[in-house]
Amino acid sequence: AQSVSQHNHHVILSEAASLELGCNYSYGGTVNLFWYVQYPGQHLQLLLKYFSGDPLVKGIKGFEAEFIKSKFSFNLRKPSVQWSDTAEYFCAVRTGTASKLTFGTGTRLQVTL
Amino acid sequence: SAVISQKPSRDICQRGTSLTIQCQVDSQVTMMFWYRQQPGQSLTLIATANQGSEATYESGFVIDKFPISRPNLTFSTLTVSNMSPEDSSIYLCSVEKWDPNTGELFFGEGSRLTVL
Repeated sequence: AQSVSQHNHHVILSEAASLELGCNYSYGGTVNLFWYVQYPGQHLQLLLKYFSGDPLVKGIKGFEAEFIKSKFSFNLRKPSVQWSDTAEYFCAVRTGTASKLTFGTGTRLQVTL
Repeated sequence: SAVISQKPSRDICQRGTSLTIQCQVDSQVTMMFWYRQQPGQSLTLIATANQGSEATYESGFVIDKFPISRPNLTFSTLTVSNMSPEDSSIYLCSVEKWDPNTGELFFGEGSRLTVL
């Protein structure tokens, strides 16, 4: 079965710092990759997704992620974080033709002023 | 997109009781899922709610503990049976709006259950 690893459990950054959150998955076939964000007290929202094509995917709020197939990775990046980016970030993978997602354990991002 | 309404949004329950969570979607969807998010942990898929047939459960989850109904393409219920404190969690309904190129999951706001 596939699994998703997020190595950073809790990240604390100052405003304007650059962000990179790691995500690795274990599955050798075709994958769809997602990053979801959960702001405090809110429901999960999609940040960005990769299905095919350009491995560098741009999402909402200035986030982007790069799919590196050889490394089984889909790291999330943002050049300059804002206090409002404080949230929990989840990487998720969908494999083959299945619709269900497998989620990573999540990374709690705290941005300080 | 899809707008998902879950009821109740939160509840406090006594050990040994059961609670049914409702999920209503604003449009017809093929796939509906129920996830659990335990405190400080990630989301774990409980089951896929199939319209007109029995739900498909993931490893570690059984129908007797988490019976699911899906009478039509816009509604589903999840029951947490014979609850214990270990069942304290957020339960999320999720639906897929399927397009081969853009299919994504949408999530409800969740139902936060506390079992005493």
